[in-house]
Amino acid sequence: DIQMTQSPSSLSASLGDRVTITCRAGHSISSHLNWYQHKSGKAPDLLIYSASTLQSGVPSRFSGSGSGTDFTLTITNLQPDDFATYYCQQSYRVPYTFGQGTILEFK
Amino acid sequence: QITLRESGPTLVKPTETLTLTCTFSGFSLSSSGMGVTWVRQSPGKALEWLALIYWDNDKRYSSSMKTRLTITKDTSENQVVLTMTNMDPADTGTFFCARVRMIRGVPMTYKFFDAWGQGTLVTVSS
Repeated sequence: DIQMTQSPSSLSASLGDRVTITCRAGHSISSHLNWYQHKSGKAPDLLIYSASTLQSGVPSRFSGSGSGTDFTLTITNLQPDDFATYYCQQSYRVPYTFGQGTILEFK
Repeated sequence: QITLRESGPTLVKPTETLTLTCTFSGFSLSSSGMGVTWVRQSPGKALEWLALIYWDNDKRYSSSMKTRLTITKDTSENQVVLTMTNMDPADTGTFFCARVRMIRGVPMTYKFFDAWGQGTLVTVSS
């Protein structure tokens, strides 16, 4: 299985801040990397697929980059709705493993 | 509009078999490039991918749980069913189903889960 490791595990930030979450794959996955936002009790939302393609309807303050084993999710100008847990996921090889999640909290 | 809804028992006993149904609308699982997947979240834990079925009936399973999982589809009813055998209290969690989309890439096809259900909480307890 390809292990996905996110950092940090949690992050405190304020409205308007810029934050970056990192995801590292245990094996090269090219650009087969997706990012999801999840709020407790709700359905997860796809933010970015193929490492850097913004899903339709997702605000442009979200962006993704990387390839191979190292990836980042960047959120600029943090808004109240952005405080949630973020997961990376590799879709290069079954099983399609998720990272352990990054909790983005309000400072 | 794409919607998915999970249904099934909220409480099962240890050693029992869990059967969950994902009923969806807004797409067809007979269309090339489509799939439906199941993901679990145990309390306080991360999302865990379980199983996936494609339009052509190709099936994929979590390596750690493949002996306990079966995924099937009923295209005419727009449903996907997941069964999990020999349930244990450690299997307690919220189960989500999601649509899988595939986009042709070079050299490999990109896959992602672009629409999710709200999830159903399953508790395993005697």
